[in-house]
Amino acid sequence: DIQLTQSPSFLSASVGNRVTITCRASQGITNYLAWYQQKPGKAPKLLIYAASTLQSGVPSRFSGSGSGTDFTLTISSLQPEDFATYYCQQLNSYPVTFGGGTTVEIK
Amino acid sequence: QVQLVQSGAEVKKPGASVKVSCKASGYTFTSFAMHWVRQAPGQRPEWMGWINVGNGNTRYSEKFQVRVTITRDTSATTAYMELSSLRSEDTAVYYCARWAPVAGGHTIFDYWGQGTLVTVSS
Repeated sequence: DIQLTQSPSFLSASVGNRVTITCRASQGITNYLAWYQQKPGKAPKLLIYAASTLQSGVPSRFSGSGSGTDFTLTISSLQPEDFATYYCQQLNSYPVTFGGGTTVEIK
Repeated sequence: QVQLVQSGAEVKKPGASVKVSCKASGYTFTSFAMHWVRQAPGQRPEWMGWINVGNGNTRYSEKFQVRVTITRDTSATTAYMELSSLRSEDTAVYYCARWAPVAGGHTIFDYWGQGTLVTVSS
């Protein structure tokens, strides 16, 4: 199985900050990587797919990059509604797997 | 608009089975596959398997292979996930998620159900 390791697992930031989350795959997955945002008690919401493509309706302050084994999710200017947990997901091969999550909290 | 509405919370005893439903609306049900993902409290999401809603073919995670069955009723536009031989570690929120093709040969989980909490306790 492909393991996804996210870092950091927790970060504290202020509104307006630039935030970067990384996801490392245990083997190459080309660009078969997605990012999700999840708020307490809610289902994950797709933000980015194919490593860097913004899902329809997602604000442009979210961006993704990377290929192979190393990926990043960047929020250019953190907004109050962005405080949540973020997960990466690989769809390169079965089983589909998810990273351990990064919780973004208000500083 | 696309909606996936899941059945309500369940409480089960160890050894029992649970069947969760996922009612789809707002799109052609047979044109999109459906995945099931679960999330234990404070844990990362965990993929369980998927069904080709058009022909009924399934693929399961090896972890759940012997205990999970995913089915669908096309006339009811509903997908189902049944998990047997429940144990306390199966306590989790169970989600259905629509699988859609996008450009470049990629696929996405674009719509998710609201989740169904399954609690396994004696």
